[in-house]
Amino acid sequence: EPEVTQTPSHQVTQMGQEVILRCVPISNHLYFYWYRQILGQKVEFLVSFYNNEISEKSEIFDDQFSVERPDGSNFTLKIRSTKLEDSAMYFCATGVLSRNEKLFFGSGTQLSVL
Amino acid sequence: GQQLNQSPQSMFIQEGEDVSMNCTSSSIFNTWLWYKQDPGEGPVLLIALYKAGELTSNGRLTAQFGITRKDSFLNISASIPSDVGIYFCAANNAGNMLTFGGGTRLMVKP
Repeated sequence: EPEVTQTPSHQVTQMGQEVILRCVPISNHLYFYWYRQILGQKVEFLVSFYNNEISEKSEIFDDQFSVERPDGSNFTLKIRSTKLEDSAMYFCATGVLSRNEKLFFGSGTQLSVL
Repeated sequence: GQQLNQSPQSMFIQEGEDVSMNCTSSSIFNTWLWYKQDPGEGPVLLIALYKAGELTSNGRLTAQFGITRKDSFLNISASIPSDVGIYFCAANNAGNMLTFGGGTRLMVKP
């Protein structure tokens, strides 16, 4: 069964450092999303991406965050200058339809900011 | 912002028992979804509901989209140990943003 692949599975970084989280979507999927889940809390929407541009973003997705699909395969989330409160599990999700209920989630990247 | 209130937060039941959990909101939604999350994994879609009043089953799971479009429930019949995990409701309207509930942690005693 096709799956969304995320790397790394764990990332530890110092506050103020830049991190890039990577996602390889399922091959025929066109809609890409990042969600995050702070430990013990609900899953929160960050951003959606279609046709090489952001289609929607939440209040969490401020100027420190950016997304791109540089080579047509990897879908990346960059946090420019990490803060302690950025520590969370970050999930990439992809879908073939614009109705995002048909989303397939990756296993996540656990980001720890020290 | 829109919020989904999910209850109960956790359940500890005996294998074979039926389970019921629900999600409510003060906002109307066009789509309700139920996901399961296993430890260290991403959420996996269990059931999607598209119409008010819709009742949909997936094996031992049954979910309903409330007639007011502000709530949904999920039932699991005859629970088994592999049902253990966190169950999330989620909902959306137009656009791409899914709003998630706080989750129900289900524990099953063999």
